[in-house]
This record gives sequence, structure tokens and C-alpha cells, in this order.
Amino acid sequence: GESVGLHLPTLSVQEGDNSIINCAYSNSASDYFIWYKQESGKGPQFIIDIRSNMDKRQGQRVTVLLNKTVKHLSLQIAATQPGDSAVYFCAENGNQGGKLIFGQGTELSVKP
Amino acid sequence: ETGVTQTPRHLVMGMTNKKSLKCEQHLGHNAMYWYKQSAKKPLELMFVYNFKEQTENNSVPSRFSPECPNSSHLFLHLHTLQPEDSALYLCASSRTRDVSYEQYFGPGTRLTVT
Repeated sequence: GESVGLHLPTLSVQEGDNSIINCAYSNSASDYFIWYKQESGKGPQFIIDIRSNMDKRQGQRVTVLLNKTVKHLSLQIAATQPGDSAVYFCAENGNQGGKLIFGQGTELSVKP
Repeated sequence: ETGVTQTPRHLVMGMTNKKSLKCEQHLGHNAMYWYKQSAKKPLELMFVYNFKEQTENNSVPSRFSPECPNSSHLFLHLHTLQPEDSALYLCASSRTRDVSYEQYFGPGTRLTVT
């Protein structure tokens, strides 16, 4: 996952714009990745997942891109809405396969 | 609602207190998890139960003691905690321990140790 720091990365976008949230994962043996959304006062919520045999996967208004060469994962949100404001973080299954390793997260703020 | 409930939602306790966190899932899942979420840090897995058996203890200090009486209920017993244990404690459940099964999270218990 992402390196641990003192400040949560933030992304501020205008309502209606597209958002791109990035994640650098740590383990080249990881073959399963998940994006989670965590709204204030709530637990994380599954958004979309992707396996390493794919480069791209689309959901409703969201797309996940996987670049295994540089160990990079991104989440694209189309037509960002105020309800998308939350912390987004990625998770990978690591080399043990049986445990999720979570990234630090990015706080997305949507301006009306 | 995710089908996973946690009580209490907020807890303030002194370092000498003993308290318990409760988690209940109404999804018919067989795996349950405790995670710790500290400010500005990644989610940390603490314990995993699969079919009521503890399958993982992620080097958690003994002042945290989990209990899983059945597949629907999970407890985290707390005693002689330290201020650095203050965090959001999240419970999750999934169909089984396999990571390919989606984990459903509860809203968490915000714990403050004074």
C-alpha cells in the first residue's frame, strides 16, 4: 500500500469533473486489489475490485486501472458528485494471499 | 446499512478499566474480523475468526482479547489499555476467510483511552 505519512493526501475536485485517485502498492506478488470508500462516521465500503490478469475494470461511474509494471492502481470516478466525498483507499492481498494490506487513503473533497 | 452492527459507537475508558466491544452480523457469514484504524494510518488487521476458530492474531498485545461465541457475534475484550490504543475499531465479516469474498464493515467503535 501507500507509504504511511502524517498527513492524509487530499484531492479537491469540482462537482461534475472526473476524479483520479492513485495508489502505489507494495508487493509484486499481489494478484487481487480492492478499492474502498469510507465516509465520515462509517466503516469502509467495497467499491470495485480487480485481479492481476486484468488491466482495467469498469463499474457504475467508476473505473479501476492496474499497471503491474510499476505497481500502480488508480480509481477513476466519472462526473464526481458531492456524495462521493470520502476517504478512498486501496487494498492488496500481498504475498500470503490470505490477508488484505491496506493503503493509507486519499481524502476526496467535492466542491459544489 | 451493511448488516454489521457494532456497540458501543463511542467509548471512553481509563487505563485501568475493563470494557468489551461487541459486533454482530446478520449476513450469514462465517468469517469475522477486528481491525484497528488510527488517524492517518492504514487499516491494521488484528484478529480473524473463520467458522468460530481464530485463524489469525496479527501480533496484537494481550491487553486485547477476542471472543467469538458463534459465527454471528464477535467481541473484543479490553483491559489495561494505553493512550496509544485510542483509535476506531472496526469489525467486518465475509462469507469465508478467502480474501476474494467481499468484507462488510460495521460503523466502528471510537475508543478513547484516558
